[in-house]
Amino acid sequence: EPEVTQTPSHQVTQMGQEVILRCVPISNHLYFYWYRQILGQKVEFLVSFYNNEISEKSEIFDDQFSVERPDGSNFTLKIRSTKLEDSAMYFCASRDTDRGAFFGQGTRLTVV
Amino acid sequence: QKEVEQNSGPLSVPEGAIASLNCTYSDRVSQSFFWYRQYSGKSPELIMSIYSNGDKEDGRFTAQLNKASQYVSLLIRDSQPSDSATYLCAVKTGNTPLVFGKGTRLSVIA
Repeated sequence: EPEVTQTPSHQVTQMGQEVILRCVPISNHLYFYWYRQILGQKVEFLVSFYNNEISEKSEIFDDQFSVERPDGSNFTLKIRSTKLEDSAMYFCASRDTDRGAFFGQGTRLTVV
Repeated sequence: QKEVEQNSGPLSVPEGAIASLNCTYSDRVSQSFFWYRQYSGKSPELIMSIYSNGDKEDGRFTAQLNKASQYVSLLIRDSQPSDSATYLCAVKTGNTPLVFGKGTRLSVIA
């Protein structure tokens, strides 16, 4: 069964450094998302991407964040100048039409 | 602000019993409703979707939707210890992103 793939599974970075989280969505899906989940808290929406552009973003998704679809398969989230409070699980998700989104296994980001 | 509310639990049920998980949502025009299961340290896994009032059954799972009351529920029949997880309710309208509740932690006791 097709699945969303994320790399790396765990990333440790120093405060102030830039990180890039990578995702390969399910191939025939059209809508792509990044969510994050701080330990013990709920899954929070960051950004959605459709037709090669951002379709919606949350208040969390400020100038520190950016997304790209550099080729036909990959979807990346870049976090510039990481802060301690960026430590969380970051989930990529994709969907087609009106179905629920399917999530990747996540990247655990630890900022030290 | 769209809100999805769930009792955080834990909800403890004995093995073989029916587990009943509830969710309310604030946006009256919400159209699509989903239940996800999340094991500790893992990603959310889609288990049920429902779009119209009434019941929808899939194996041991039944989702129930009442749009007038803005209420969604998930019933798990013949609960198993492997069902122990956090169950997330998620809601969306059209092509807007999913809005998640905080989840209800279910513990099935053998």
